[in-house]
Amino acid sequence: DIQMTQSPASLSASLEEIVTITCQASQDIGNWLAWYQQKPGKSPQLLIYDATSLADGVPSRFSGSRSGTQYSLKISRLQVEDIGSYYCQQAHSNPLTFGSGTKLEIK
Amino acid sequence: EVQLVESGGGLVQPGRSLKLSCAASGFTFSNYYMAWVRQAPKKGLEWVATISTSGSRTYYPDSVKGRFTISRDNAKSSLYLQMNSLKSEDTATYYCARRAANWVVFDYWGQGVMVTVSS
Repeated sequence: DIQMTQSPASLSASLEEIVTITCQASQDIGNWLAWYQQKPGKSPQLLIYDATSLADGVPSRFSGSRSGTQYSLKISRLQVEDIGSYYCQQAHSNPLTFGSGTKLEIK
Repeated sequence: EVQLVESGGGLVQPGRSLKLSCAASGFTFSNYYMAWVRQAPKKGLEWVATISTSGSRTYYPDSVKGRFTISRDNAKSSLYLQMNSLKSEDTATYYCARRAANWVVFDYWGQGVMVTVSS
């Protein structure tokens, strides 16, 4: 199985700050990576697919990048509505696996 | 508007069975792979099952293989998850999710249904 190591587990940042979350894949998965946002008490929502492509309706302050087997989600200017948990997911092969999540709070 | 509405959750004893349903609307159900993803209380996301458009192909992780069965009824735009031999570690919120057309990602999710396995 492909392991996705996500960090940090939690993060506190100020409004307008740049936030970065990373996921390390245990093997080469190419661009087969997605990011999801889960607001408190809500279902997950797709943010990024194909490592760097923004899903429909997602604000442009969100972006994804890849360096080898390390993937990053960046929020360029943190907003109040961005609080919640974030998960990466490898889409390369079954079993599909998620990172352990990052809980983002406002400082 | 795409809508996925789960039902069938509840409290069940270990070793017993439960069947979840998901009613889909707002898109051509038969054109999409569908899946179930679960989330244990205060924990992360875990993929549970995927089914092809026709229902001829199904996929599961080892943690539920042989105990859970995913199925669909395209005429009713409905997805199902039959869960047998339930264990306490199956306690979670179960989400019905649509797999995106060209990517193995989940572009729409239901609101989730809670399953509690306890004596």
